[in-house]
Amino acid sequence: AQSVTQLDSHVSVSEGTPVLLRCNYSSSYSPSLFWYVQHPNKGLQLLLKYTSAATLVKGINGFEAEFKKSETSFHLTKPSAHMSDAAEYFCVVSPPLHSGGYQKVTFGTGTKLQVIP
Amino acid sequence: DTGVSQNPRHKITKRGQNVTFRCDPISEHNRLYWYRQTLGQGPEFLTYFQNEAQLEKSRLLSDRFSAERPKGSFSTLEIQRTEQGDSAMYLCASSKSGTGNEQFFGPGTRLTVL
Repeated sequence: AQSVTQLDSHVSVSEGTPVLLRCNYSSSYSPSLFWYVQHPNKGLQLLLKYTSAATLVKGINGFEAEFKKSETSFHLTKPSAHMSDAAEYFCVVSPPLHSGGYQKVTFGTGTKLQVIP
Repeated sequence: DTGVSQNPRHKITKRGQNVTFRCDPISEHNRLYWYRQTLGQGPEFLTYFQNEAQLEKSRLLSDRFSAERPKGSFSTLEIQRTEQGDSAMYLCASSKSGTGNEQFFGPGTRLTVL
């Protein structure tokens, strides 16, 4: 069984300040974890993924996330927010890479990021 | 653009009517997924195909819903006798076996049932 919790439904930051979007997961195995971004009227885009290699994962647009097994967390960060980062962000958990067959993914409920000029 | 495409992008229908959505995955992707997303929620899994075989269906997929992928390429999702509760964004995604379950999403079809 697996689940994912995004602790904040809305986060508001000023342009140029750091971004922290929190995600905690629950899994009976060592999971794969993803962050997706969804801009209005656009499809979901993969930001980054963790698949049991390096625990600090770098993604597109300056985002990164750190897998912390002891805390069951996979928080998304960015040092300096840009106006174009305003969007909804989804944390996703799935069985590990080497699982056979269908690998069900479970989405969190999303965090809307507002960037204030 | 060789990404996942979905048609139509928007569909407004009256309650009781049937609707059909189409998804064209990335050409070399053998796996295809349908999700439903309502306001304030993350996407919820509906069904999954590997090639032409429908291997997994969610309990969310009632008898009024049917999905096909006849030649292992494009897929259709049909909703019969639509209800207002079917109003949502329907997302399609595709992936390739052995790539760590990285799914590529289409822009979605927004369904409004009046």
